[in-house]
Amino acid sequence: KAGVTQTPRYLIKTRGQQVTLSCSPISGHRSVSWYQQTPGQGLQFLFEYFSETQRNKGNFPGRFSGRQFSNSRSEMNVSTLELGDSALYLCASSQSDWTVINTEAFFGQGTRLTVV
Amino acid sequence: EDQVTQSPEALRLQEGESSSLNCSYTVSGLRGLFWYRQDPGKGPEFLFTLYSAGEEKEKERLKATLTKKESFLHITAPKPEDSATYLCAVQATVTEGGYNKLIFGAGTRLAVHP
Repeated sequence: KAGVTQTPRYLIKTRGQQVTLSCSPISGHRSVSWYQQTPGQGLQFLFEYFSETQRNKGNFPGRFSGRQFSNSRSEMNVSTLELGDSALYLCASSQSDWTVINTEAFFGQGTRLTVV
Repeated sequence: EDQVTQSPEALRLQEGESSSLNCSYTVSGLRGLFWYRQDPGKGPEFLFTLYSAGEEKEKERLKATLTKKESFLHITAPKPEDSATYLCAVQATVTEGGYNKLIFGAGTRLAVHP
């Protein structure tokens, strides 16, 4: 079956702009979580959605937001982009609500965002 | 504070030279430990889940083990295609709210040379 799909794969934006990233989870998975990966900080948790509700949030500024639709697809938005937002943004999907139940998370290929 | 530490940061092996990667953790309420493999520019690929001390999982040349304080990823007779960054993640319960959180280590960059 198809894996986690993230679009676009690559993105170049200018400081101050905003960006929206998309994630389609594995069919049947209802939980979607987002991570930021940079060489210096590694994988940092952004937020997690389950059944259209944000269940958990990491320590990121309010410029980072997200939402989940009824078909479990999720979008992440970053407003007023800063140079430091350049990173690989990863989406992971789980069959169950991993914030409550032990379950594996499967990752997409990521969106490489470059802010210039 | 909950923490996951992986060592070494980087490891260079000759093809066929077996070794182990370490993931040590200090978390309260461990729910599970996951190993992922990540190739450059790609998302992490799920390898194993371990839930309790003493548990072992195997897949081809890889074997993961878990104790109460750490996990090891043993690589037997590695091949160049095993070169990647190996990530360890711990699922722990957040005291406030009762939700689980997933904490990643910084990873071990493995290079296997022919």
